[in-house]
Amino acid sequence: DTAVSQTPKYLVTQMGNDKSIKCEQNLGHDTMYWYKQDSKKFLKIMFSYNNKELIINETVPNRFSPKSPDKAHLNLHINSLELGDSAVYFCASSLGRWGGSGKQYFGPGTRLTVT
Amino acid sequence: GENVEQHPSTLSVQEGDSAVIKCTYSDSASNYFPWYKQELGKGPQLIIDIRSNVGEKKDQRIAVTLNKTAKHFSLHITETQPEDSAVYFCASTGANSKLTFGKGITLSVRP
Repeated sequence: DTAVSQTPKYLVTQMGNDKSIKCEQNLGHDTMYWYKQDSKKFLKIMFSYNNKELIINETVPNRFSPKSPDKAHLNLHINSLELGDSAVYFCASSLGRWGGSGKQYFGPGTRLTVT
Repeated sequence: GENVEQHPSTLSVQEGDSAVIKCTYSDSASNYFPWYKQELGKGPQLIIDIRSNVGEKKDQRIAVTLNKTAKHFSLHITETQPEDSAVYFCASTGANSKLTFGKGITLSVRP
């Protein structure tokens, strides 16, 4: 059984389009995250939600909007895609409100390519 | 904010040898230090972690050591195998509870 799943695995789109990435976890965790991994493999947190409440919001363009319909799902919507948005986006989850100190489990990633 | 440095960026070892990967952190309030392994095309996988009240932790062929005074921690892999080849990330949680990652090190184990 997949613990943290993301769809789609690959996403190729043109500049200016709007796209969404979905994430689901079946671990019973209450904190979920979105990370961006750039071409140099650098991992940086973007957002974190705890029980549908936004608790971490890094300096991310407001074209990126996370949405958490329930604590098992955290989706990422991106408006007006730009070339610089090309990266691999990872969803993760952990147990506990201040999940930064808890074990985080990552999904398989979504490779976004903007042309 | 927290800054995590990881050196070197690549490491190559002979199969069966040991590998040591070192990281330093800047926030003295950091209290949680996980290590992640990322294989090609996959998400990071937690392999071992340590909290600030412990100096060393071991799990089979891997171990992590923490020196809070010097603010550095290390991953030790013994009896390396080709399947240990991957990118390894260290990370730490500072006072803001966010997980900050190092830039990663590519470990190659030569058969």
